[in-house]
Amino acid sequence: EIVLTQSPGTLSLSPGERAMFSCRTSQSVKSQYLAWYQQKPGQAPRLLIYGVSSRATGIPDRFSGSGSGTDFTLTISRLEPEDFAVYYCQQFGTTPWTFGQGTKLEIK
Amino acid sequence: QVQLVQSGAEVKKPGASVSVSCRASGYGFTDYLIHWVRQAPGQGLEWMGWISLKSGGASSAPKFKGRVTMTRDTSISTAFMELSGLRSDDTALYYCVREGDTSSGGAFDLWGQGTMVTVSS
Repeated sequence: EIVLTQSPGTLSLSPGERAMFSCRTSQSVKSQYLAWYQQKPGQAPRLLIYGVSSRATGIPDRFSGSGSGTDFTLTISRLEPEDFAVYYCQQFGTTPWTFGQGTKLEIK
Repeated sequence: QVQLVQSGAEVKKPGASVSVSCRASGYGFTDYLIHWVRQAPGQGLEWMGWISLKSGGASSAPKFKGRVTMTRDTSISTAFMELSGLRSDDTALYYCVREGDTSSGGAFDLWGQGTMVTVSS
C-alpha cells in the first residue's frame, strides 16, 4: 500500500502567519487523486483540496495545494483563528486508499 | 439538506459483531459510492472499504477482508457496515463518507457524524 508521511507532526504558529504542510508518498500518486482534509475537535473531517490544487466548495482562497509525484504541500497563506485544527492528506488512486497520520496546527 | 446520518453509539463484547447504518438525504442516493473510514481515539483516519449504492458491489481493504460486510437498502437510502470478530483495537469512531463526483474530483466530500463503537469485556 502507499504510505503517506506528513510533516511536521505539530506546527505552532500565530494568526496571520503562513502555514505549510508537507505530505510525502511512498510511491508516485496521480495528481487527480490527492486530497487534503481539515478536522476540528469533535467534528468529522472536511474536504479542503482535491486533485492536488482544486479548492472544494466554500473553501477560502487562503488555502492552496501544490505538488506532484511523491511530494505535496498544503499552504494556508494567512492563518485565521478557525484554521487551528488537524490536517490530513489522502491518496485515492491506488487501493487501499490511505491517509497521512496528520499534522496538528496549534496556536503559538 | 444534503447529509449522511449515522446510527448511534454501540458497546460490544470481544468476538461480537456490530452493524452501523448510514442514511443519506438531500441527493440522489444511488448516484454515488459510500466509503467507510474509522478513527481510533486520538488517532488518524483509516479507510475500510466502499460500496456502490447502485449495484451493491463492494470492496474492502485487505486488513478487513473477511470481517467487514457492506450492504445497502435503496428503498430507505441507507448503507450498512457490519464488522465481525470485534477486538479491543476495533474501538473507534466509524464514519460513512460519500465519494464525490467530478465537482470534487472523487474525493470524500460529505461525511456522516460518526458512530462510536466501543469493544470491551
